[in-house]
Amino acid sequence: DAKTTQPTSMDCAEGRAANLPCNHSTISGNEYVYWYRQIHSQGPQYIIHGLKNNETNEMASLIITEDRKSSTLILPHATLRDTAVYYCIAPLNSGGSNYKLTFGKGTLLTVNP
Amino acid sequence: GAVVSQHPSWVICKSGTSVKIECRSLDFQATTMFWYRQFPKQSLMLMATSNEGSKATYEQGVEKDKFLINHASLTLSTLTVTSAHPEDSSFYICSAISERGWETQYFGPGTRLLVL
Repeated sequence: DAKTTQPTSMDCAEGRAANLPCNHSTISGNEYVYWYRQIHSQGPQYIIHGLKNNETNEMASLIITEDRKSSTLILPHATLRDTAVYYCIAPLNSGGSNYKLTFGKGTLLTVNP
Repeated sequence: GAVVSQHPSWVICKSGTSVKIECRSLDFQATTMFWYRQFPKQSLMLMATSNEGSKATYEQGVEKDKFLINHASLTLSTLTVTSAHPEDSSFYICSAISERGWETQYFGPGTRLLVL
């Protein structure tokens, strides 16, 4: 896995966009960037992933820089239920049983009323 | 879609007993399932990878004779904690990869184990 670096914590006001950065300067050409989140005492929830193009789904947008050394997860209108630890992971994408996720410390996003 | 369930959601047992945790993929077939463990205020740590019909692959430092994994079907994997001790108390989480798309792991809700 490529090493990823995320801020320890961030705050966001309810209704505002939450922009969560992630550095992955050692990422290789075939490594995707995955984002998961874990709400307290629950299993992680898949959010989004991408390789080099920006991606958007019903939960979030993922912006990947052209050199792929960093990315930003955007929650367009954060709600209190988005308070969670967000993990940015770049697993070696070899498929099947070799595909593993290495969870770092992630970013604790706190959405405030 | 891509729902993974775990049973039980929590369990309390006496030291020395064995505990079985089930992980099921409800709406897809999972060729590969993973088992993680999470201690309080720590991140998830991968314990083992299991493929349907074959032996599990354990991460370094995880005792395979203590944490028995069976992936008997494409929708069910079980983790048995044998001779549990208080230090095995933790949050156990499974995940599964669909046979159709190996890119994304979907996680279960977790099982909280407390060994007295």
